[in-house]
Amino acid sequence: DSGVTQTPKHLITATGQRVTLRCSPRSGDLSVYWYQQSLDQGLQFLIQYYNGEERAKGNILERFSAQQFPDLHSELNLSSLELGDSALYFCASSVAASAVTQYFGPGTRLLVL
Amino acid sequence: AQSVTQLDSQVPVFEEAPVELRCNYSSSVSVYLFWYVQYPNQGLQLLLKYLSGSTLVKGINGFEAEFNKSQTSFHLRKPSVHISDTAEYFCAVSERETSGSRLTFGEGTQLTVNP
Repeated sequence: DSGVTQTPKHLITATGQRVTLRCSPRSGDLSVYWYQQSLDQGLQFLIQYYNGEERAKGNILERFSAQQFPDLHSELNLSSLELGDSALYFCASSVAASAVTQYFGPGTRLLVL
Repeated sequence: AQSVTQLDSQVPVFEEAPVELRCNYSSSVSVYLFWYVQYPNQGLQLLLKYLSGSTLVKGINGFEAEFNKSQTSFHLRKPSVHISDTAEYFCAVSERETSGSRLTFGEGTQLTVNP
């Protein structure tokens, strides 16, 4: 158990819908990362937040957005969902913005029908 | 920008045999190197990391990896595997000097240990 929690574990929804994935970092960690794991794209970095501020952006679609709240939990919002958004979404956390080691949560498996 | 290539998508081996999972990387700047393991229906667990110093790095579960700067490789090895080592293994890099520390992953290698 890494100490990073993600909810829900599984999510099934329809095309065009909007969902919110939630992540709570390890106690004491200020930085949160979101990654997407799909069959065709592999594991890709989406976005990083540090202490409430966006720190780095990767291959995140405009339909996706994220934020980190004062209690340091983070949410990833996915809207206008398409079949191709079906994937495993991981959250990771680290102590600092440029900390070397990231600890991964168990992931949220999203299925868009 | 950096990239990671894992040279084998699938590696089948017999129990108690040695194994090597190969990883090459490309980057215009200095990087940190990592190996993560993903067991079925679970998240990613850090096996080991190379930051600096000795090029031979030891990790959990008897795994080790060797950093070779001239060949830009970071191969993962285990002298004797167990059935429980069956999992997907990911090599990853992150830039040393950056305000963030995003990981760039390889495509993964599925290790299957057969009895």
